[in-house]
Amino acid sequence: ELKVEQNPLFLSMQEGKNYTIYCNYSTTSDRLYWYRQDPGKSLESLFVLLSNGAVKQEGRLMASLDTKARLSTLHITAAVHDLSATYFCAVDINNAGNMLTFGGGTRLMVKP
Amino acid sequence: DGGITQSPKYLFRKEGQNVTLSCEQNLNHDAMYWYRQDPGQGLRLIYYSQIVNDFQKGDIAEGYSVSREKKESFPLTVTSAQKNPTAFYLCASSIRGYGEQYFGPGTRLTVT
Repeated sequence: ELKVEQNPLFLSMQEGKNYTIYCNYSTTSDRLYWYRQDPGKSLESLFVLLSNGAVKQEGRLMASLDTKARLSTLHITAAVHDLSATYFCAVDINNAGNMLTFGGGTRLMVKP
Repeated sequence: DGGITQSPKYLFRKEGQNVTLSCEQNLNHDAMYWYRQDPGQGLRLIYYSQIVNDFQKGDIAEGYSVSREKKESFPLTVTSAQKNPTAFYLCASSIRGYGEQYFGPGTRLTVT
């Protein structure tokens, strides 16, 4: 059974600081996705990582994928309050693009 | 505009009643999915469908049923057999074989 684990589960940080969220998974996969969820809202796609070594950046967020280590990271640079949300990683469990397994989420709170 | 719609946004039912949640998409996606999210938790897959008239159980299908008679529509019925139906239900769709999923706004179901 595929397990997807995120850490930390909760992160409180000051504006302007840097931090990294980690997503570990337990089986081989080359496809990983990051989503953002605001309180009470749906999920918004942030990044699609489709190969080993893939790196994507959007604003203050940068995601990377190391398929050999079965690890993805979401790095936050100079955090701002607007980044406060819950972040989920999701792994394509059989590389076929038909089923995702989600991590438990990292709740990020950025304080002014 | 292309997108996924779910209705209603909030739904209240008495215990023992079946209830059907609507999900419609006009993205021309072949694949559609239903997830359940409990407070502070990640997403768990209930059912998914890759093509019309075909669907598969996810991790927590017991007490739920679906149909896929049209490409655009994938309704979910929460039956009285579901022991803890109160949750946030999210519908998603994707291009078949390409894992990035697009999510609807969700339906918050409360059963008392």
